[in-house]
Amino acid sequence: SQTIHQWPATLVQPVGSPLSLECTVEGTSNPNLYWYRQAAGRGLQLLFYSVGIGQISSEVPQNLSASRPQDRQFILSSKKLLLSDSGFYLCAWSGGFNYGYTFGSGTRLTVV
Amino acid sequence: RKEVEQDPGPFNVPEGATVAFNCTYSNSASQSFFWYRQDCRKEPKLLMSVYSSGNEDGRFTAQLNRASQYISLLIRDSKLSDSATYLCVVKPDRGSTLGRLYFGRGTQLTVWP
Repeated sequence: SQTIHQWPATLVQPVGSPLSLECTVEGTSNPNLYWYRQAAGRGLQLLFYSVGIGQISSEVPQNLSASRPQDRQFILSSKKLLLSDSGFYLCAWSGGFNYGYTFGSGTRLTVV
Repeated sequence: RKEVEQDPGPFNVPEGATVAFNCTYSNSASQSFFWYRQDCRKEPKLLMSVYSSGNEDGRFTAQLNRASQYISLLIRDSKLSDSATYLCVVKPDRGSTLGRLYFGRGTQLTVWP
């Protein structure tokens, strides 16, 4: 069966520090991968999506970036965090157009 | 106009009550529809897909009205464990971003004893 792993679960980082969040999927190949952010009391905001290795599309201009170095690995990064980057970051995968998403357990990031 | 709009609630109902959530979507060419459930400080999880003819899964019934661009979720005999935020989710037509889902902001439900 397919599983999705996301870590760390919780992270507190100072303003201006770098960020790297990792997401891996097991039990499937060539998944569509997504990074979402959910700010406190807000809805889910799509940040990046990827349909294959090295293929990244960005939805919202920001100081975050994403990479997909391997088929089942998706990384979210920042060189310098801002206070406004705080939120609940969720990685998700989909098997294709007719499928919903399965989310990872999320990373709760607090920038202080 | 937002892609998906929901009444944020909160809905506070007693155990055993029937409660209904509604959702509207803006893209008339949307292809797939889902309801997700999100517990406090947890990731969203798929509750059920919504089919054109309507579908039922135990105490949960989902309906789709394409003409009105309207989706509903009915929960019968509410349990304390149903307390969560329910997200309405829409997948646009094939010409759009492959596999992209649009999420509503969610409707918060609290079931009290």
